[in-house]
Amino acid sequence: DSGVTQTPKHLITATGQRVTLRCSPRSGDLSVYWYQQSLDQGLQFLIQYYNGEERAKGNILERFSAQQFPDLHSELNLSSLELGDSALYFCASSVVGGVGNEQFFGPGTRLTVL
Amino acid sequence: DAKTTQPTSMDCAEGRAANLPCNHSTISGNEYVYWYRQIHSQGPQYIIHGLKNNETNEMASLIITEDRKSSTLILPHATLRDTAVYYCIAVKWGQGGKLIFGQGTELSVKP
Repeated sequence: DSGVTQTPKHLITATGQRVTLRCSPRSGDLSVYWYQQSLDQGLQFLIQYYNGEERAKGNILERFSAQQFPDLHSELNLSSLELGDSALYFCASSVVGGVGNEQFFGPGTRLTVL
Repeated sequence: DAKTTQPTSMDCAEGRAANLPCNHSTISGNEYVYWYRQIHSQGPQYIIHGLKNNETNEMASLIITEDRKSSTLILPHATLRDTAVYYCIAVKWGQGGKLIFGQGTELSVKP
């Protein structure tokens, strides 16, 4: 158990819909990362937040957005869903963020878009 | 960020050392070498990281060549539970620590 929790575990929805994935980091961790893992693209970095502020952005689509709240939990919002958005979405947290701070990954949310 | 190259798959006998190679010939002076692994579809797990010195922890050892163009992750006594995909990643100082995963090496530990 990494100490990072993600909800829900599984999500099945239809194309065109909007969903919200939630992540609670380990106690004391200020930095949260989101990653997407699909069969054809592998594990891809989406976005990072540090203490409520966006810190780095990767291959995140404009239809996707994220935020980190004052209590440090984070949400990833996916809208206008397409079949290709079906994937495992992982959240990770680290103490500060950056080299020297290992990332602890949650169990993931499996999103299926039908 | 430096590109890393790893073999697609490797086998190892249970109880023997597993040596996983990684090439990172374009690594820059401010890039660290990190290793993570992913067991089945679980979240990736941190193993070890280093800059230029060899490193050891309770999970593994990391050997980095003097020119830093390649490294080897060593699992000293592989068990069936070490069967996973192992990722070697170059992480640049000052960029927040985001991980850019490649294809990794699928390690199968066999009895």
